[in-house]
Amino acid sequence: GAVVSQHPSRVICKSGTSVKIECRSLDFQATTMFWYRQFPKQSLMLMATSNEGSKATYEQGVEKDKFLINHASLTLSTLTVTSAHPEDSSFYICSARDGAGTEAFFGQGTRLTVV
Amino acid sequence: ELKVEQNPLFLSMQEGKNYTIYCNYSTTSDRLYWYRQDPGKSLESLFVLLSNGAVKQEGRLMASLDTKARLSTLHITAAVHDLSATYFCAVDHNFGNEKLTFGTGTRLTIIP
Repeated sequence: GAVVSQHPSRVICKSGTSVKIECRSLDFQATTMFWYRQFPKQSLMLMATSNEGSKATYEQGVEKDKFLINHASLTLSTLTVTSAHPEDSSFYICSARDGAGTEAFFGQGTRLTVV
Repeated sequence: ELKVEQNPLFLSMQEGKNYTIYCNYSTTSDRLYWYRQDPGKSLESLFVLLSNGAVKQEGRLMASLDTKARLSTLHITAAVHDLSATYFCAVDHNFGNEKLTFGTGTRLTIIP
């Protein structure tokens, strides 16, 4: 199956700093990627849909100025958590569909801890 | 708004037993996915169900989809410890590059 690579897998940052997470489709082009957040022992919640060459579409309740998404190429989407606070600590997972759009492939996830 | 519910939320079962996890969703969709998640890890794709009546099996797991009832099941046969994990179903909003809505998850623990 297709491969989605996410980096970094873990990051610890201080409150008030920004963190960038990368999501790459390694063997296919993805015009659309998705960013999810998962709190401990909970399900995945969609944060936003990342569209190549255009603005991301954010889900209700997600602050677009806090979670900046850039999808500058067909193989790379980035999520930047700006001015991070401890409540932003979570597991962030990206996803992309392959060309057929049948199946969704997930990155390895990024464990963000804000101290 | 699409809602996806799973039950049970927690399942503790003995090795060798059979059990079924249920996934109900609230609006029309013809695509449903099952994933496995181990602690601290991302999602592993188990099954992609693309039409009404679809049934897929892999090892001790079998998934089915009834789009008319808006119900999917994940059946576990003769459970083994290695199947301990959290299982999620996810429903496609539309065909093509559309987002998924995930179920609440079922945390499965297999007891020796």
